[in-house]
Amino acid sequence: GENVEQHPSTLSVQEGDSAVIKCTYSDSASNYFPWYKQELGKGPQLIIDIRSNVGEKKDQRIAVTLNKTAKHFSLHITETQPEDSAVYFCAASPRADKIIFGKGTRLHILP
Amino acid sequence: DAGVIQSPRHEVTEMGQEVTLRCKPISGHNSLFWYRQTMMRGLELLIYFNNNVPIDDSGMPEDRFSAKMPNASFSTLKIQPSEPRDSAVYFCASSARGNGANVLTFGAGSRLTVL
Repeated sequence: GENVEQHPSTLSVQEGDSAVIKCTYSDSASNYFPWYKQELGKGPQLIIDIRSNVGEKKDQRIAVTLNKTAKHFSLHITETQPEDSAVYFCAASPRADKIIFGKGTRLHILP
Repeated sequence: DAGVIQSPRHEVTEMGQEVTLRCKPISGHNSLFWYRQTMMRGLELLIYFNNNVPIDDSGMPEDRFSAKMPNASFSTLKIQPSEPRDSAVYFCASSARGNGANVLTFGAGSRLTVL
């Protein structure tokens, strides 16, 4: 089955700097790659997603890239702000109705 | 819409007791998922339903776990008997199947502690 690896598990960046989180997946059938943000005491919430027919997608300060050949995808957050502090999960979907999550990255934005 | 509603938010119980977690999905969503979150294993998919029918329960850890969805607006996850290693946050999520992608809306979770 699909396996999603996510790195790093913890990331601290200075406010205003950029943060990058990287994921790999194993199942070449996966064609949908969402990213979720989980704030303390809440459930994960979708922040951006990308499909396999697209290499890059951007939404304001957040961007995702996908390399299908290498089975890599990444989340980039620019000009980080305190409210970006959270746990971020990448995920891959090998078929309809099945989403496999990475183990998460705890992002700390330092003042 | 109030979103996905889970209850209880917190449950503390003793080993051997039965635990029932409840979920009300978003109205109109026809897929429902149960996930378990722990520090060691992250977010694990336990089971999901389409149109109230269980489709994939391969993530259910063992026979002590069971899930039901008697109608489109309610689902339960039951653990009987509970064990300390079941301590985790259990999330329910729902989605509208057929939108070309599974955009999951998660509830706030039920934090279970088994002593």
